[in-house]
Amino acid sequence: AQTVTQSQPEMSVQEAETVTLSCTYDTSENNYYLFWYKQPPSRQMILVIRQEAYKQQNATENRFSVNFQKAAKSFSLKISDSQLGDTAMYFCAFMKPLYQGAQKLVFGQGTRLTINP
Amino acid sequence: KAGVTQTPRYLIKTRGQQVTLSCSPISGHRSVSWYQQTPGQGLQFLFEYFSETQRNKGNFPGRFSGRQFSNSRSEMNVSTLELGDSALYLCASSKTGVRSYEQYFGPGTRLTVT
Repeated sequence: AQTVTQSQPEMSVQEAETVTLSCTYDTSENNYYLFWYKQPPSRQMILVIRQEAYKQQNATENRFSVNFQKAAKSFSLKISDSQLGDTAMYFCAFMKPLYQGAQKLVFGQGTRLTINP
Repeated sequence: KAGVTQTPRYLIKTRGQQVTLSCSPISGHRSVSWYQQTPGQGLQFLFEYFSETQRNKGNFPGRFSGRQFSNSRSEMNVSTLELGDSALYLCASSKTGVRSYEQYFGPGTRLTVT
């Protein structure tokens, strides 16, 4: 079974700083998908960024980028120029390839990120 | 395009009762997944439906069931509620075709069992 581990339960940075959230996962699959989701106090889960394992290039979405190290099974999220609105719980998630059937996200325990003014 | 909607948003039930939660996916999305979120267990997969068929089920007791209708709307039912069923229940939908692996979540239904 796949597992996802987020070793930082909480992090806190000043506005405009850069912050990196860590995530490691365990799988025997060669193809899979990785995601970072954001859950602000409103509890709405928002997809931040995704990475296909077959792509070597790291995904970027505006201020958000990932460092995907497939051999090390590591998938960290970097937030540049952090903003107050980035304050949220961040979840790293794993999904097996779709040809194996149902879509099922396996989540880490989350990292609570606070951006201070 | 409207997002995933879930009703009701909040629910209080008594132990032993049953409850039905509803999820309407994004228009055109045919896959609906359900997750339970609790402080102790985190986010756990309940089940996924595609074209009215359950494709996978998580490790939950048979008291948890679901279904999907022809318009892709989905419901989940929990019978004989226990205190431990208190949780945020999240529904997510995804499209077919390109990037069908991306799941978009609704706001959740907060269930409290007393």
